Amino acid sequence: DGGITQSPKYLFRKEGQNVTLSCEQNLNHDAMYWYRQDPGQGLRLIYYSQIVNDFQKGDIAEGYSVSREKKESFPLTVTSAQKNPTAFYLCASRPSWQEGTTDEQFFGPGTRLTVL
Amino acid sequence: GQNIDQPTEMTATEGAIVQINCTYQTSGFNGLFWYQQHAGEAPTFLSYNVLDGLEEKGRFSSFLSRSKGYSYLLLKELQMKDSASYLCAVDIYNFNKFYFGSGTKLNVKP
Repeated sequence: DGGITQSPKYLFRKEGQNVTLSCEQNLNHDAMYWYRQDPGQGLRLIYYSQIVNDFQKGDIAEGYSVSREKKESFPLTVTSAQKNPTAFYLCASRPSWQEGTTDEQFFGPGTRLTVL
Repeated sequence: GQNIDQPTEMTATEGAIVQINCTYQTSGFNGLFWYQQHAGEAPTFLSYNVLDGLEEKGRFSSFLSRSKGYSYLLLKELQMKDSASYLCAVDIYNFNKFYFGSGTKLNVKP
């Protein structure tokens, strides 16, 4: 079955530690995205990548870093510089990065990060 | 900047019809998407509009007016399982990224 996997589902870290969230897709999608969701809020874009070895900052990139070395993988590192890292993190992918595409974004199950 | 507004919360009765509105002010509009999200889960795609008018998919319909920057999601024959948050997202042309509204939490009561 094709899909997007995120691991782990729940993650606990001590303040000051960096942590990397995994996102893997076997849908052969070009574009991948990371969002953050806080309670009762919508999704805010952290980083996105339209193609391998390229990525752009979203609206709230400070304190986060990403890499896109393989088409199917887009890991997100939450660094100690992120002031309020506790949140629900969602990874998504989209078939094409070309202009005018009408495809929706497909989401992984999410990782809930709690920093103690 | 981009601005997308939705009501925070709505309540409706099982079997009824409910309309969830979304207004937007964005640049480079390439379509509007509606997603459903149950608590603690990932959003799932419901519908998409890029041209003005109504799109119908079973119990769900979505309407778009680009000149007014306005969309709505219509849910008919409400079921208890429709209790969820509904997210409106605008696809920004030339950037291949979505801007999401804050979501509308729908409570369906018996």
